[in-house]
Amino acid sequence: EGQLVESGGGLVQSGRSLRLSCAASGFRFDVYAMHWVRQAPGKGLEWVSSINWNSGIIVYADSVRGRFAMSRDNAKNSVYLEMNSLRGEDMALYFCAKDTAYSPSPDNAFDISGQGTMVTVSS
Amino acid sequence: DIQMTQSPSSLSASVGDRVTITCRASQTISRRLNWYQHKPGKAPKLLIYKASSLQSGVPSRFSGSDSGTDFTLTISSLQLEDFATYYCQQGYSPPYTFGQGTKLEIQ
Repeated sequence: EGQLVESGGGLVQSGRSLRLSCAASGFRFDVYAMHWVRQAPGKGLEWVSSINWNSGIIVYADSVRGRFAMSRDNAKNSVYLEMNSLRGEDMALYFCAKDTAYSPSPDNAFDISGQGTMVTVSS
Repeated sequence: DIQMTQSPSSLSASVGDRVTITCRASQTISRRLNWYQHKPGKAPKLLIYKASSLQSGVPSRFSGSDSGTDFTLTISSLQLEDFATYYCQQGYSPPYTFGQGTKLEIQ
């Protein structure tokens, strides 16, 4: 089944940067696509970004493209989300997720096992 | 972008009831439809992937079906622990959009 543990959230001023990390364990990390999903306070779920098994394909939501960068380190069983030029609308609980299918054909279904990391943006 | 329209937005039901939640995609998504259960303060839980495949560990009272661009999540006999918010999500093409959610409340 595996486990994911997110970290790196916190309080940051608008316009500044933050780097989220997600440490994976209990499964063969290097064959799965990984994803970031967020939930702003009082809002629904929003997909943020996805990365395939070898970092060859990375996609972003329109709302973060050009400001956020997703990456992975298969040697460290970790994924990251570098968030720049943060805005108030980026304030949310961020979850990382494992895809349900092995590469090279991910399902783009999100198996979330961590509690998320909260990003708070102040003006 | 593919729009996902979920209905109803809220639903009141009782333990033991059969409940259905629907989701309509704005274009074909080749059965790449996933369903999640979300409770406050907890991680969203994947219930169904690719329209009808039950995720490991999910009770069999949850099922998914589809017809073209219309998708349905059915809970055959509601249990107390099923009261939560449910989301559909398309995994066909990015952006991988979610529906707006259905809040299932105790009647």
